[in-house]
Amino acid sequence: EVQVVESGGGLVQPGGSLRLSCAASGFTFSNYWMSWVRQAPGKGLEWVANINHGGSEKYYVDSVKGRFTISRDNTKNSLYLQMNSLRAEDTAVYYCARRNGGYDSFDYWGQGTLVTVSS
Amino acid sequence: AIRMTQSPSSFSASTGDRVTITCRASQDISSYLAWYQQKPGKAPKLLIYAASTLQSGVPSRFSGSGSGTDFSLTISCLQSEDFATYYCQQYYSYPLTFGGGTKVEIK
Repeated sequence: EVQVVESGGGLVQPGGSLRLSCAASGFTFSNYWMSWVRQAPGKGLEWVANINHGGSEKYYVDSVKGRFTISRDNTKNSLYLQMNSLRAEDTAVYYCARRNGGYDSFDYWGQGTLVTVSS
Repeated sequence: AIRMTQSPSSFSASTGDRVTITCRASQDISSYLAWYQQKPGKAPKLLIYAASTLQSGVPSRFSGSGSGTDFSLTISCLQSEDFATYYCQQYYSYPLTFGGGTKVEIK
């Protein structure tokens, strides 16, 4: 059974840092692009970042470029999101999602981890 | 960035109804479109990709159509478990973008 499980969310002050993790199982992790998608409270979905199989290609939404870094460790079947210089507007549930084969849609999602940026 | 506009933003319907949700892209995205269903407190679920391809395990009452800039998601016979919020998403180019969502409520 395909599973992705996020962890690492919490309360952080503006300007602070947080690292999210996503543990994958039930599929060959190294064969898939992976993504982070977020959802602010009561709002819609926003794609944050993508990373290719080997970690050599990365894409970001403009609002997080230079502050967030997506990475992966295929030996540990894990995806990460390092978030620096956090702002109130980064407050959201962050989902780890698997890319749907050759399509940049998302076929498996985790349950999400809440990041709250507040003083 | 490509803007995705869904309409309506919400509406009420009854079990058994045929409902259609529309999604418009701000530029031609060919068939690079997906649809998701999200229930409160849950992660989104992929329903359709490539504009009209049903994801494995999704009931056949869901269907998608369109290409270019205009797309639609149709539920042929609304079931109680279909009351949820639906999102479209383009993957023609980065940044990947979602529509604002359409909430389907019980009449």
